[in-house]
Amino acid sequence: KNEVEQSPQNLTAQEGEFITINCSYSVGISALHWLQQHPGGGIVSLFMLSSGKKKHGRLIATINIQEKHSSLHITASHPRDSAVYICACVTSGSARQLTFGSGTQLTVLP
Amino acid sequence: SQTIHQWPATLVQPVGSPLSLECTVEGTSNPNLYWYRQAAGRGLQLLFYSVGIGQISSEVPQNLSASRPQDRQFILSSKKLLLSDSGFYLCAWRYRAHYGYTFGSGTRLTVV
Repeated sequence: KNEVEQSPQNLTAQEGEFITINCSYSVGISALHWLQQHPGGGIVSLFMLSSGKKKHGRLIATINIQEKHSSLHITASHPRDSAVYICACVTSGSARQLTFGSGTQLTVLP
Repeated sequence: SQTIHQWPATLVQPVGSPLSLECTVEGTSNPNLYWYRQAAGRGLQLLFYSVGIGQISSEVPQNLSASRPQDRQFILSSKKLLLSDSGFYLCAWRYRAHYGYTFGSGTRLTVV
């Protein structure tokens, strides 16, 4: 079992739909990153959070430390949101290494 | 402000050729530096990390090596590329005392 599990692996939505991507982890963490990887390969960091909720435009990220779970929500989805979304956990302790989920491929259809 | 530069964005190399990917950080000193790889259909995996000049730790035995000749420069190399070296390579850094990472934009390497 992977230490960081994402679901779903693939997600197809119609433009305008509300989207949720989930991330569950089994390790102790200091923080969690949500990353976006576009078809060309470039990685963009969307959020880093260690508690609560963060919002940026149409994107919302939440984390529940007790339940070891984080979600990324996209409101009013658009075809340009099509990308791979990756959850990455910063392990607690002095090492603070990153453990990545396998990613969620999101396709938003017009 | 701190920035991270990684190049090239894409690279196509023949089998057996050498490789050099460079990552530089600006606006900070003494960062922890990291190289990750994403093979086709798999998640990102840590290859090397460095806590200082000349200090390299390897996580996965492979055909690659890393060097840190300057405080803010991290280089990923190979003497002879294999087909299995194809993938997406990502550089990242963080402050030693912090847990937030900053990511480069990545390099898509195709070995043919």
